[in-house]
Amino acid sequence: QKEVEQDPGPLSVPEGAIVSLNCTYSNSAFQYFMWYRQYSRKGPELLMYTYSSGNKEDGRFTAQVDKSSKYISLFIRDSQPSDSATYLCAMRFGGATNKLIFGTGTLLAVQP
Amino acid sequence: DVKVTQSSRYLVKRTGEKVFLECVQDMDHENMFWYRQDPGLGLRLIYFSYDVKMKEKGDIPEGYSVSREKKERFSLILESASTNQTSMYLCASRGGIVSNQPQHFGDGTRLSIL
Repeated sequence: QKEVEQDPGPLSVPEGAIVSLNCTYSNSAFQYFMWYRQYSRKGPELLMYTYSSGNKEDGRFTAQVDKSSKYISLFIRDSQPSDSATYLCAMRFGGATNKLIFGTGTLLAVQP
Repeated sequence: DVKVTQSSRYLVKRTGEKVFLECVQDMDHENMFWYRQDPGLGLRLIYFSYDVKMKEKGDIPEGYSVSREKKERFSLILESASTNQTSMYLCASRGGIVSNQPQHFGDGTRLSIL
């Protein structure tokens, strides 16, 4: 079993839809949770960064962490064609550890 | 903004060649990383460095080595390139030894080994 599971998609939605992207994980010791957006032929770009459980909102994006269920989500409101990209979840343990564990990414296409 | 620059976007090399991939960051970050990204496998950590001349193996170090002679520069070396090393290589950096800061990535080098 992988430490982090993410549906690869592709996920296709019409412009303006609410998008829900999800990851599940197996290790309850993860403390920091991230979402990266990766456009084609570019590097991952940090989108959201959260610590422990709860919600964090930034514009049209909301990151949600449910540690009891070992489940994290990224919601995109009023999705735009420019949101079309691969979305990667990532997580790490607390303290001085450097290692990030990534999901394999979900490919999102927002149709105009 | 953090800037992580990888010297080449695309690179084509031959089997058996020694290949150097270069990465430079401009934020005085202590930590630097090399990943490879393959379809269906996601990002896998090859090596990382937490200080000048310091390095640690990641999950897939075989066939690779690294060099960090200056704080801002981290090089990945393929000692004798093989076709199974054809991949997208991503460099990242992160500030602080004990820090909540996230990793920031460069735009990647797409390496083809023929």
